[in-house]
Amino acid sequence: DVVLTQSPLSLPVTLGQPASISCRSSQSLVYSDGNTYLNWFQQRPGQSPRRLIYKVSRRDSGVPDRFSGSGSGTDFTLKISRVEAEDVGVYYCAQGTLWPWTFGQGTKVEIK
Amino acid sequence: QVQLVESGGGLVKPGGSLRLSCAASGFIFSDDYMSWIRQAPGKGLEWVSYINSRLGIIDYADSVKGRFTISMDSAHNSMYLQMNTLRAEDTAMYYCARDNDGAAAGNWGQGTLVTVSA
Repeated sequence: DVVLTQSPLSLPVTLGQPASISCRSSQSLVYSDGNTYLNWFQQRPGQSPRRLIYKVSRRDSGVPDRFSGSGSGTDFTLKISRVEAEDVGVYYCAQGTLWPWTFGQGTKVEIK
Repeated sequence: QVQLVESGGGLVKPGGSLRLSCAASGFIFSDDYMSWIRQAPGKGLEWVSYINSRLGIIDYADSVKGRFTISMDSAHNSMYLQMNTLRAEDTAMYYCARDNDGAAAGNWGQGTLVTVSA
């Protein structure tokens, strides 16, 4: 199975400051169709997960533009340009290239 | 507007069975990939199974293969997860999710809680 390793696992951030989460894959996530199926999800406390980013860098509808995704092959990053209070929660990367699709362990973002 | 509503969770004894349902609305149900994803209490996310009815594609995580069966009923816009021979480690919130924009799990339901305990 593809193993996704996120770092850090805990990320205390000051309001208004940037934040960055890394996701490294044990295998290339480039699919035979040329797409890279790497997504990012946000799970706020007590809520269902919500997809923020798909195919590495495409923002889902309604997602603030302070969220951005980048990377290629096996190394990916989610960045929040200026953290707001509503960004508190756990962030997961996930791959949909090779079954079984897998998630990273999650990164807990909290306000300092 | 896409809506996914899970039901059918509850308390069941080890070795028992449960059938989860996911009622969908707001999209053409049979065209899309649909998934069941679970989250054990205080833990991370695990993909359990996915299905694309139109393409006849189904797969399962090794942890549930042979015990769980995913299915869809397009006439009722519903997806199901038949869970047999349940174990304590199957205790989790179970979410249904729909792919969109050519990528996995763009829409999620609110989840239904399954507890396996004697």
